Amino acid sequence: DGGITQSPKYLFRKEGQNVTLSCEQNLNHDAMYWYRQDPGQGLRLIYYSQIVNDFQKGDIAEGYSVSREKKESFPLTVTSAQKNPTAFYLCATTGFNQPQHFGDGTRLSIL
Amino acid sequence: GNSVTQMEGPVTLSEEAFLTINCTYTATGYPSLFWYVQYPGEGLQLLLKATKADDKGSNKGFEATYRKETTSFHLEKGSVQVSDSAVYFCALRSGGSYIPTFGRGTSLIVHP
Repeated sequence: DGGITQSPKYLFRKEGQNVTLSCEQNLNHDAMYWYRQDPGQGLRLIYYSQIVNDFQKGDIAEGYSVSREKKESFPLTVTSAQKNPTAFYLCATTGFNQPQHFGDGTRLSIL
Repeated sequence: GNSVTQMEGPVTLSEEAFLTINCTYTATGYPSLFWYVQYPGEGLQLLLKATKADDKGSNKGFEATYRKETTSFHLEKGSVQVSDSAVYFCALRSGGSYIPTFGRGTSLIVHP
Protein backbone atom coordinates (compact mmCIF):
# COMPACT_ATOMS: atom_id res chain seq x y z
CA ASP A 1 0.00 0.00 0.00
CA GLY A 2 1.20 3.51 -0.76
CA GLY A 3 1.60 5.77 2.20
CA ILE A 4 3.66 7.73 4.68
CA THR A 5 5.42 6.05 7.60
CA GLN A 6 6.44 8.08 10.60
CA SER A 7 8.54 6.55 13.35
CA PRO A 8 8.69 6.21 16.21
CA LYS A 9 5.11 6.81 17.32
CA TYR A 10 6.32 8.01 20.74
CA LEU A 11 9.69 9.56 21.54
CA PHE A 12 11.24 10.90 24.71
CA ARG A 13 14.02 13.45 24.83
CA LYS A 14 16.44 14.12 27.63
CA GLU A 15 17.79 17.56 28.43
CA GLY A 16 20.47 18.64 25.95
CA GLN A 17 19.80 15.77 23.57
CA ASN A 18 19.11 15.86 19.85
CA VAL A 19 16.48 13.45 18.56
CA THR A 20 15.55 12.52 15.01
CA LEU A 21 12.05 11.77 13.73
CA SER A 22 11.75 9.61 10.65
CA CYS A 23 9.41 10.15 7.71
CA GLU A 24 9.38 7.78 4.74
CA GLN A 25 6.99 7.81 1.77
CA ASN A 26 6.33 5.51 -1.17
CA LEU A 27 3.83 7.78 -2.92
CA ASN A 28 6.48 9.13 -5.31
CA HIS A 29 5.58 12.65 -4.21
CA ASP A 30 8.08 15.44 -4.82
CA ALA A 31 7.19 17.67 -1.86
CA MET A 32 7.49 16.79 1.81
CA TYR A 33 6.65 18.81 4.92
CA TRP A 34 7.04 18.83 8.68
CA TYR A 35 4.39 20.36 10.92
CA ARG A 36 4.17 20.85 14.65
CA GLN A 37 0.83 20.58 16.44
CA ASP A 38 0.33 21.66 20.04
CA PRO A 39 -2.73 20.63 22.10
CA GLY A 40 -5.84 22.37 20.85
CA GLN A 41 -3.82 24.21 18.22
CA GLY A 42 -3.63 24.15 14.48
CA LEU A 43 -0.67 23.15 12.34
CA ARG A 44 2.54 25.17 12.18
CA LEU A 45 5.00 24.57 9.34
CA ILE A 46 8.56 23.79 10.40
CA TYR A 47 10.32 22.91 7.13
CA TYR A 48 9.38 21.82 3.66
CA SER A 49 11.17 20.38 0.66
CA GLN A 50 10.04 20.50 -2.95
CA ILE A 51 12.90 18.47 -4.36
CA VAL A 52 15.80 16.28 -3.31
CA ASN A 53 18.75 18.18 -1.80
CA ASP A 54 16.69 21.33 -1.31
CA PHE A 55 14.53 22.48 1.61
CA GLN A 56 13.09 25.72 2.95
CA LYS A 57 12.33 27.05 6.42
CA GLY A 58 8.74 27.33 7.45
CA ASP A 59 7.26 29.55 10.15
CA ILE A 60 8.95 27.94 13.17
CA ALA A 61 12.27 26.46 11.96
CA GLU A 62 14.40 27.61 14.90
CA GLY A 63 15.73 24.65 16.89
CA TYR A 64 15.01 22.15 14.10
CA SER A 65 17.00 20.78 11.16
CA VAL A 66 16.18 18.55 8.19
CA SER A 67 17.81 16.78 5.27
CA ARG A 68 16.48 15.51 1.94
CA GLU A 69 19.05 13.14 0.49
CA LYS A 70 16.45 10.82 -1.05
CA LYS A 71 13.04 11.48 -2.54
CA GLU A 72 11.47 8.99 -0.16
CA SER A 73 12.91 10.32 3.09
CA PHE A 74 12.70 13.61 5.01
CA PRO A 75 13.99 13.21 8.59
CA LEU A 76 13.52 15.95 11.17
CA THR A 77 16.04 16.55 13.96
CA VAL A 78 14.86 18.33 17.06
CA THR A 79 17.98 19.90 18.50
CA SER A 80 18.78 20.87 22.06
CA ALA A 81 18.27 24.49 20.97
CA GLN A 82 14.52 23.82 20.79
CA LYS A 83 13.56 24.64 24.36
CA ASN A 84 9.94 23.56 24.18
CA PRO A 85 9.88 20.47 21.95
CA THR A 86 6.91 18.68 23.51
CA ALA A 87 4.35 18.42 20.71
CA PHE A 88 2.81 16.17 18.08
CA TYR A 89 4.85 16.17 14.87
CA LEU A 90 3.24 15.46 11.52
CA CYS A 91 4.92 14.67 8.22
CA ALA A 92 3.06 15.29 4.97
CA THR A 93 3.67 14.87 1.25
CA THR A 94 2.08 16.13 -1.92
CA GLY A 95 2.31 15.94 -5.68
CA PHE A 96 1.81 18.98 -7.90
CA ASN A 97 -1.71 20.41 -7.53
CA GLN A 98 -2.67 17.54 -5.24
CA PRO A 99 -3.94 17.64 -1.65
CA GLN A 100 -1.53 16.76 1.11
CA HIS A 101 -1.27 13.27 2.55
CA PHE A 102 -0.29 12.94 6.21
CA GLY A 103 1.50 10.35 8.31
CA ASP A 104 0.17 9.18 11.68
CA GLY A 105 2.47 11.46 13.64
CA THR A 106 5.16 11.22 16.32
CA ARG A 107 4.48 12.40 19.84
CA LEU A 108 7.60 13.89 21.43
CA SER A 109 7.85 14.39 25.17
CA ILE A 110 10.55 15.59 27.56
CA LEU A 111 11.93 13.24 30.20
CA GLY B 1 -1.51 36.65 1.82
CA ASN B 2 -3.81 33.68 2.10
CA SER B 3 -5.84 32.95 5.22
CA VAL B 4 -8.52 30.54 6.42
CA THR B 5 -10.95 31.28 9.24
CA GLN B 6 -12.98 28.54 10.91
CA MET B 7 -15.61 28.77 13.57
CA GLU B 8 -14.36 28.27 17.10
CA GLY B 9 -15.06 24.98 18.79
CA PRO B 10 -15.87 22.77 20.37
CA VAL B 11 -19.10 22.11 18.55
CA THR B 12 -21.22 19.76 20.67
CA LEU B 13 -24.15 17.91 19.12
CA SER B 14 -26.42 14.99 19.83
CA GLU B 15 -26.36 11.99 17.54
CA GLU B 16 -28.43 12.49 14.35
CA ALA B 17 -28.26 16.29 14.59
CA PHE B 18 -27.41 18.48 11.60
CA LEU B 19 -23.84 19.73 11.43
CA THR B 20 -22.45 22.94 9.97
CA ILE B 21 -18.85 24.06 10.45
CA ASN B 22 -18.20 27.44 8.89
CA CYS B 23 -15.08 28.19 6.88
CA THR B 24 -14.23 31.41 5.05
CA TYR B 25 -11.05 32.28 3.23
CA THR B 26 -9.03 34.99 1.56
CA ALA B 27 -6.69 34.03 -1.24
CA THR B 28 -4.91 35.26 -4.31
CA GLY B 29 -5.80 33.59 -7.56
CA TYR B 30 -8.16 30.63 -7.70
CA PRO B 31 -7.47 28.29 -4.81
CA SER B 32 -8.43 24.69 -4.34
CA LEU B 33 -10.30 24.09 -1.08
CA PHE B 34 -10.12 21.12 1.27
CA TRP B 35 -11.59 19.69 4.45
CA TYR B 36 -9.44 17.35 6.53
CA VAL B 37 -10.44 15.29 9.57
CA GLN B 38 -8.16 14.34 12.47
CA TYR B 39 -9.18 11.60 14.89
CA PRO B 40 -7.49 11.51 18.31
CA GLY B 41 -3.83 10.54 18.16
CA GLU B 42 -3.78 10.32 14.36
CA GLY B 43 -2.68 12.39 11.39
CA LEU B 44 -5.00 14.36 9.14
CA GLN B 45 -7.06 12.59 6.49
CA LEU B 46 -8.49 14.29 3.45
CA LEU B 47 -12.27 14.34 3.80
CA LEU B 48 -13.29 16.19 0.64
CA LYS B 49 -12.11 18.81 -1.81
CA ALA B 50 -13.31 21.28 -4.44
CA THR B 51 -11.14 22.82 -7.11
CA LYS B 52 -13.31 25.53 -8.68
CA ALA B 53 -16.26 27.77 -7.93
CA ASP B 54 -19.62 26.02 -7.39
CA ASP B 55 -17.97 22.61 -7.12
CA LYS B 56 -19.42 20.44 -4.36
CA GLY B 57 -17.13 18.03 -2.58
CA SER B 58 -18.70 15.09 -0.77
CA ASN B 59 -17.59 12.04 1.16
CA LYS B 60 -19.04 9.83 3.94
CA GLY B 61 -22.19 11.97 4.14
CA PHE B 62 -20.23 15.23 4.47
CA GLU B 63 -20.61 17.97 1.87
CA ALA B 64 -19.09 21.39 1.17
CA THR B 65 -19.71 23.80 -1.71
CA TYR B 66 -17.06 26.18 -3.06
CA ARG B 67 -18.77 29.60 -2.91
CA LYS B 68 -16.60 32.19 -4.62
CA GLU B 69 -19.06 35.05 -4.09
CA THR B 70 -18.98 34.61 -0.32
CA THR B 71 -15.44 33.12 -0.17
CA SER B 72 -16.79 30.24 1.89
CA PHE B 73 -16.53 26.45 2.05
CA HIS B 74 -18.81 25.40 4.90
CA LEU B 75 -18.85 21.74 5.93
CA GLU B 76 -22.25 20.10 6.44
CA LYS B 77 -23.64 16.71 7.37
CA GLY B 78 -27.30 15.87 7.70
CA SER B 79 -27.06 13.40 10.58
CA VAL B 80 -23.91 13.08 12.67
CA GLN B 81 -22.79 9.96 14.49
CA VAL B 82 -20.67 9.50 17.60
CA SER B 83 -17.90 8.22 15.33
CA ASP B 84 -17.75 11.65 13.63
CA SER B 85 -16.23 13.13 16.80
CA ALA B 86 -12.90 14.56 15.65
CA VAL B 87 -11.16 17.81 14.74
CA TYR B 88 -11.98 19.24 11.31
CA PHE B 89 -9.57 21.48 9.39
CA CYS B 90 -10.42 23.70 6.45
CA ALA B 91 -7.53 24.42 4.07
CA LEU B 92 -6.75 26.08 0.77
CA ARG B 93 -4.01 25.87 -1.76
CA SER B 94 -3.45 28.50 -4.42
CA GLY B 95 -2.65 27.30 -7.91
CA GLY B 96 1.01 26.42 -8.37
CA SER B 97 1.88 26.77 -4.68
CA TYR B 98 3.26 23.88 -2.66
CA ILE B 99 2.30 25.49 0.65
CA PRO B 100 -1.30 25.08 1.80
CA THR B 101 -2.94 27.36 4.34
CA PHE B 102 -4.85 25.70 7.18
CA GLY B 103 -7.50 26.98 9.53
CA ARG B 104 -7.03 26.42 13.26
CA GLY B 105 -9.36 23.43 13.34
CA THR B 106 -12.81 22.91 14.87
CA SER B 107 -13.39 20.18 17.40
CA LEU B 108 -16.67 18.25 17.02
CA ILE B 109 -18.07 16.24 19.93
CA VAL B 110 -21.10 14.06 19.25
CA HIS B 111 -23.02 12.62 22.22
CA PRO B 112 -25.16 9.47 22.02
